[in-house]
Amino acid sequence: NAGVTQTPKFQVLKTGQSMTLQCAQDMNHEYMSWYRQDPGMGLRLIHYSVGAGITDQGEVPNGYNVSRSTTEDFPLRLLSAAPSQTSVYFCASSPEAALVTEAFFGQGTRLTVV
Amino acid sequence: KQEVTQIPAALSVPEGENLVLNCSFTDSAIYNLQWFRQDPGKGLTSLLLIQSSQREQTSGRLNASLDKSSGRSTLYIAASQPGDSATYLCAVRPHDYKLSFGAGTTVTVRA
Repeated sequence: NAGVTQTPKFQVLKTGQSMTLQCAQDMNHEYMSWYRQDPGMGLRLIHYSVGAGITDQGEVPNGYNVSRSTTEDFPLRLLSAAPSQTSVYFCASSPEAALVTEAFFGQGTRLTVV
Repeated sequence: KQEVTQIPAALSVPEGENLVLNCSFTDSAIYNLQWFRQDPGKGLTSLLLIQSSQREQTSGRLNASLDKSSGRSTLYIAASQPGDSATYLCAVRPHDYKLSFGAGTTVTVRA
């Protein structure tokens, strides 16, 4: 029972480099989202998707791109990494876009931009 | 914009004491509220989900209450153990798809 899987678990980037954080779920969930967690702050929503081919911005979308070509995968792309993007990133999924269901989270990706 | 506050930010208690963790939110128009546990360097584990129509939810030593009209939820952990040491996060789901999180309460249970 894999649930929500994020890769890599740790990553160090240089300023200006690009990379993709991977997120995959095997529960056939329609709704997926990306959050970042910074010290002393709650998780903040970056982007979300209510189904394949549909994405929308969250609270802090600048500097990040997403796409949702399949139900299972929801990658997060950093086009030109900046030190301000140093954070822990979490991917989450829910069974459907209906709002009454609980969210399931991956184990996180710890990203450092130097 | 929904604001979620958790007070205190940190809490230290001796083993066996009951824990009371508070969560308040500014917009009462929510679908549900979820409590999570986060261990250092780990992801979020869902503890309890309370629908807006419910007043409380229980699982083992955990009990969560919800007073939607006043914008408050409380997580009670009975007879705390050192293994309960973690950060506890509450999140509300308003009438869109976006969970709003509090910053969490870090709990230390001393043996």
